[in-house]
Order: sequence, then C-alpha cells, then structure tokens
Amino acid sequence: EVQLVESGGGLVQPGGSLRLSCAGSGITFSSYWMGWVRQAPGKGLEWVATVKQDESLKHYVDSVKGRVTISRDNANNSLFLQMSSLRAEDTAVYYCATLGDFELHGGNPVWYFALWGRGTLVTVSS
Amino acid sequence: DIQMTQSPSSLSASVGDRVTITCRASQSISRYLNWYQQRPGKAPDLLIYAASRLQSGVPSRFSGSGSGTDFTLTIFSLQPEDFATYYCQQSFSTLTFGGGTKVEIK
Repeated sequence: EVQLVESGGGLVQPGGSLRLSCAGSGITFSSYWMGWVRQAPGKGLEWVATVKQDESLKHYVDSVKGRVTISRDNANNSLFLQMSSLRAEDTAVYYCATLGDFELHGGNPVWYFALWGRGTLVTVSS
Repeated sequence: DIQMTQSPSSLSASVGDRVTITCRASQSISRYLNWYQQRPGKAPDLLIYAASRLQSGVPSRFSGSGSGTDFTLTIFSLQPEDFATYYCQQSFSTLTFGGGTKVEIK
C-alpha cells in the first residue's frame, strides 16, 4: 500500500525538543523531494521544510529557521524533522508529504504536495 | 513573500450546485498554483496542479483556471463528499498556502 506514516508527536514544554519521523511504503522514496507541512488547531496549512532526494538542498520557512532541521534516510525510506527551542506557536499537526513537479514551458517546475501522511500532533505547552 | 488570498472564506451550497472559489496572489505567479481538498480530520488531497491540470483519480467535476494573479477552482455539480475545506498553494517563490475556503451544506 502506498502510504506515509508520521510518528514522534506529543506534548513538549516550551523550549524543548522533538524529533518527528515519517515512514514511506509502496513508493520509491529515494526518488522524491520530501517535505513537512503543519496545521495549527483550527487553522490553515503552512509549509515548514523540504529536502531534495540526496539532501543537497534543504529549504525552511522563515519562522523555523535555526530551530528545525529536515533530514532523510533513503535506505530506510524515512524522513525526519528535528525541532528544538519549541514555542507555543509550533503547536500543530505535522504532515509529511512527497513533492511532485511539473515543468511549465521550460521554466522552473511547479511544485506540489502529491502524497500526504495522516499527520502527527505536536503540542507545546507547560 | 507572496501572499495568497482566498475568497470567500466560507460558503454554503446544496448538492448539485456549481461552486466557485477564487485565489488571488499578491504578485504574478504565472501558473504556479495548486489546489487541495481537506475533509474534516483528514490530510489534504491534491486536486489540481499547475493551475488547471487535474490530478490522477480526481473527478472531472473539479476544474481549475487562471494565471498571473487570479485563479479559480470550480466544482460542477457539488456532491456530498465535496463538503470540505479547499486550499490554494503557490510555488513561484517558496511555498505558501491560501487561508482556505470551507464549503458547507446549505
């Protein structure tokens, strides 16, 4: 079955750390850019980070730069998000997703989130 | 940063209605625009990519159009399973989502 399954969420105190994992199955994991998207309770979607197949490129939203590291282990079809100095505003469901790309008229590709996991909830609270 | 503004933020409609959701970018993004559907308690699903290309497996009653700054998602003949929240997302510069449009049952 084609799926992504996140784990590692939970309750953490402000200033604490957490490592999220995402296991892929049924897909050629190593061939995809991968990313994390989060959703605060009752709010919209926010892109967090993306990583290229070989980890040579990583991108982060400004609000997490310096506090979050995205990484992957292609041998084990796994994606990770190491989060530190957590704040209340980091409270959200964190989704991992594969990225697809479509070339537009020979220019840069359109990037989209193709396959999503079910998400894991991170709660930052004392 | 490019801001994405969706309108309306919510709407009520009946089964069989045609529904139109708009997404406006704060600057031109060509056709670097995607649409997602999120049912309550579920992860989002990709509907449309590159403004108008239907993702495999998505019903043909969903249609996307637009380029530059103004985009539209149309649902022709709304079905019960279409009551959900819809998000646009641009990839012209980094990746940002619109605030969402909740489609509710009238």
